[in-house]
Amino acid sequence: DADVTQTPRNRITKTGKRIMLECSQTKGHDRMYWYRQDPGLGLRLIYYSFDVKDINKGEISDGYSVSRQAQAKFSLSLESAIPNQTALYFCATSDPTSGHGTDTQYFGPGTRLTVL
Amino acid sequence: GQNIDQPTEMTATEGAIVQINCTYQTSGFNGLFWYQQHAGEAPTFLSYNVLDGLEEKGRFSSFLSRSKGYSYLLLKELQMKDSASYLCAVKEGNKLVFGAGTILRVKS
Repeated sequence: DADVTQTPRNRITKTGKRIMLECSQTKGHDRMYWYRQDPGLGLRLIYYSFDVKDINKGEISDGYSVSRQAQAKFSLSLESAIPNQTALYFCATSDPTSGHGTDTQYFGPGTRLTVL
Repeated sequence: GQNIDQPTEMTATEGAIVQINCTYQTSGFNGLFWYQQHAGEAPTFLSYNVLDGLEEKGRFSSFLSRSKGYSYLLLKELQMKDSASYLCAVKEGNKLVFGAGTILRVKS
């Protein structure tokens, strides 16, 4: 069973639509992250959360919002999708108290989003 | 700010050794990670360095020099399945900053 799951895996939508991407984890990690990946640009941090009541903006939060519904769930919303939000979106989790304190991030399988 | 540089692409032969370099400029350095990412898949953790020196893990090794802002990933006995992108990521405070990745092509 996958430790970090994302739904949907693929989504095609139109400009102006509201979209929600969901992430769930069974790793028991407190920290969760949302990234987008574009060709040639690498992974860029959108939002992150270190516990249920904690939400922080990342490098590219404009046009996005998040909700941390529970320790295991972290959702990313695009309020009004635009074509330049077409990208591969990854959720990740980490636990700073495990793995000799490395706080290694573990990634979900990704959601490929296309905005027409 | 942060700046992480790694070569865009590299090609190597099956069975050979390849070194992928990563240079960085950052404040608040808190460790360096290497991830492997096959096309269309999730990045998977390979290695972590926080102190200077070499960390070896089977066919993969990673080196760090904090004073030079430099790391490399060394892959030995290359296999076709090693064809992937390799991502260098610097931990700055509590966040990871990723380089654009190096696409490694292994040819027979």
